[in-house]
Amino acid sequence: GQNIDQPTEMTATEGAIVQINCTYQTSGFNGLFWYQQHAGEAPTFLSYNVLDGLEEKGRFSSFLSRSKGYSYLLLKELQMKDSASYLCAVRDGDYKLSFGAGTTVTVRA
Amino acid sequence: IAGITQAPTSQILAAGRRMTLRCTQDMRHNAMYWYRQDLGLGLRLIHYSNTAGTTGKGEVPDGYSVSRANTDDFPLTLASAVPSQTSVYFCASSETSGDLETQYFGPGTRLLVL
Repeated sequence: GQNIDQPTEMTATEGAIVQINCTYQTSGFNGLFWYQQHAGEAPTFLSYNVLDGLEEKGRFSSFLSRSKGYSYLLLKELQMKDSASYLCAVRDGDYKLSFGAGTTVTVRA
Repeated sequence: IAGITQAPTSQILAAGRRMTLRCTQDMRHNAMYWYRQDLGLGLRLIHYSNTAGTTGKGEVPDGYSVSRANTDDFPLTLASAVPSQTSVYFCASSETSGDLETQYFGPGTRLLVL
């Protein structure tokens, strides 16, 4: 089975930085994804890590440590539009995605 | 370019009724997926199809069936709906089911079974 854990909620101030952690235990590993989901909308792809290290994409960065079963998503220079749920997903040995329950980030003015 | 469309947008259904949720993509993606999303549980895979003519079971397949007669369409059928199938259903697709392939999601169908 798959076990993916991430915090339920986080709150931060506009302009600040927030780090969302994700730990996982899966049968096989073929990459870790982060998706953003605004309320009432579909998830949209943010980032992908398959090797250890940091991937930077504008204000968003994602880090992976395969030996520790750990990833984080870093959101910098927070904007009000970043208020959303962030989903950590691991692709297993059969190339199927398993999702965590999501972290709801609220950005305050 | 529409991407992935789902129909209906929302539906209220009496328990015991049969219901088909439709999903169509115009990206010529080989792989398609159905997920349900429930509060506190995240997205869970119901069924998938790696290519037209093939389907497979995901994490929570019971009570659901799928077919993949062509590349574009991947309908999900609830043969006899039960209240525990109340959920938001997302269809997704990816170019293949292999490495480096990102899944793209449709807008979702909100289903309430009474």
